[in-house]
Amino acid sequence: AQSVAQPEDQVNVAEGNPLTVKCTYSVSGNPYLFWYVQYPNRGLQFLLKYITGDNLVKGSYGFEAEFNKSQTSFHLKKPSALVSDSALYFCAAAQLNKFYFGSGTKLNVKP
Amino acid sequence: DTEVTQTPKHLVMGMTNKKSLKCEQHMGHRAMYWYKQKAKKPPELMFVYSYEKLSINESVPSRFSPECPNSSLLNLHLHALQPEDSALYLCASSQELAALKATQYFGPGTRLLVL
Repeated sequence: AQSVAQPEDQVNVAEGNPLTVKCTYSVSGNPYLFWYVQYPNRGLQFLLKYITGDNLVKGSYGFEAEFNKSQTSFHLKKPSALVSDSALYFCAAAQLNKFYFGSGTKLNVKP
Repeated sequence: DTEVTQTPKHLVMGMTNKKSLKCEQHMGHRAMYWYKQKAKKPPELMFVYSYEKLSINESVPSRFSPECPNSSLLNLHLHALQPEDSALYLCASSQELAALKATQYFGPGTRLLVL
C-alpha cells in the first residue's frame, strides 16, 4: 500500500537549535512532496514543495527540506528553531489522483 | 485576496438536522477540496472539484453532499449525520489543473459537533 510515514509523533528542540522533522514515502512514480504546518485550531499552511530538480527545497519561514530519492525521504529542516515554530507538521505526497498525508509530527520548541 | 474563508467557524447539530458548510475563495483557483480532520490526525480527503465539476469522491457517505455553485464557492450539505462525523472540516483551493499535485491553500475550518 502506498503511504507517507512520519516516524516521530513528537520532536522536542530548544530554541536556537537546529530542527529536523522526518518523512519517508512509499509512493510509486515521481510524486510531488509537500510540507504543511498546522497551528492549533487553524487550517493547514503550505511550507514548501518538491517537484523535480535541486534536492534542497527552500520554503516559508526559513524552513527547507531535503529530498533523497534513494532513501525515499523528504526531511524538513530549519537551522535555528523559534518558539513560534511549535505546531503540528504534516508531510504529504501527491500523484495525479491520489493524495497521501503522513500522520503528523508535533514540534515543541522550548525557550 | 489570498484567503480561503469558511463559515460557520463552529456548528452544533442534531442527528436529524440539515445544515450546510460554506467555503469561499477569490484567488481565481479552479480546484476546490473538502477534508475531514479528527483530533490529532491528518486530514482525510473527501471531495475534489475541478472547474466546478466533481472529479474525486473518496467513497464518502451520502449524508455528505457537496455542491460547487460557481468557481469561488464550495458548499457541503449535511443531513442525518452521526456523532462520529464530529470533526474539523477543512476546505482548500488550488490553482493548477493537476489538482492533487497542486499547492493547496486551506481555510481555517469549521468545527462540527453532532449530538
